[in-house]
Amino acid sequence: DTAVSQTPKYLVTQMGNDKSIKCEQNLGHDTMYWYKQDSKKFLKIMFSYNNKELIINETVPNRFSPKSPDKAHLNLHINSLELGDSAVYFCASRASVNTGELFFGEGSRLTVL
Amino acid sequence: QKEVEQDPGPLSVPEGAIVSLNCTYSNSAFQYFMWYRQYSRKGPELLMYTYSSGNKEDGRFTAQVDKSSKYISLFIRDSQPSDSATYLCAMQTSGTYKYIFGTGTRLKVLA
Repeated sequence: DTAVSQTPKYLVTQMGNDKSIKCEQNLGHDTMYWYKQDSKKFLKIMFSYNNKELIINETVPNRFSPKSPDKAHLNLHINSLELGDSAVYFCASRASVNTGELFFGEGSRLTVL
Repeated sequence: QKEVEQDPGPLSVPEGAIVSLNCTYSNSAFQYFMWYRQYSRKGPELLMYTYSSGNKEDGRFTAQVDKSSKYISLFIRDSQPSDSATYLCAMQTSGTYKYIFGTGTRLKVLA
């Protein structure tokens, strides 16, 4: 039973298209995250939601819009895709503010052609 | 200068060697220090988690934190080919939601 699941795992699309990635966690956690991992394995935080409220919004182009319909789900919509958006996007969740462990999904590999 | 610096490697060692992985950081407010392991095409998974300075041991893995030097280490004893992965350090300030990751060190343990 997967704790943090993301769909789709792979996404290949053309520049200019709009796409969405979905994430669900069944751990009962309050906080969820989106991270972007580039080709050099650098994990950069993009957004975080705590109980459906946006609490971290890094300097990300406004073509990226997260949505959290409930605390178990966090989706990422990307408009007008660019070549530089190609990366692996990881969803993660955490139980509470002073516990260290982030639980990651398996990633969604986005390739923009 | 990045908040967290980590040598990207790759680091190749023979099976059975002791491996030392390190990160330095600039933000003295960091209090929680973590090591994650990431296998190819998988998500990172937590290996070690320490609060403030000191050592923590778990099986073949030992994490060390030296806050005075702003330096953390992960030691792997009796390394195995199954330890071949990317190791990411991560840090957090108490009471915050933000985790800052290093760039990861790619480790290869040769059989």
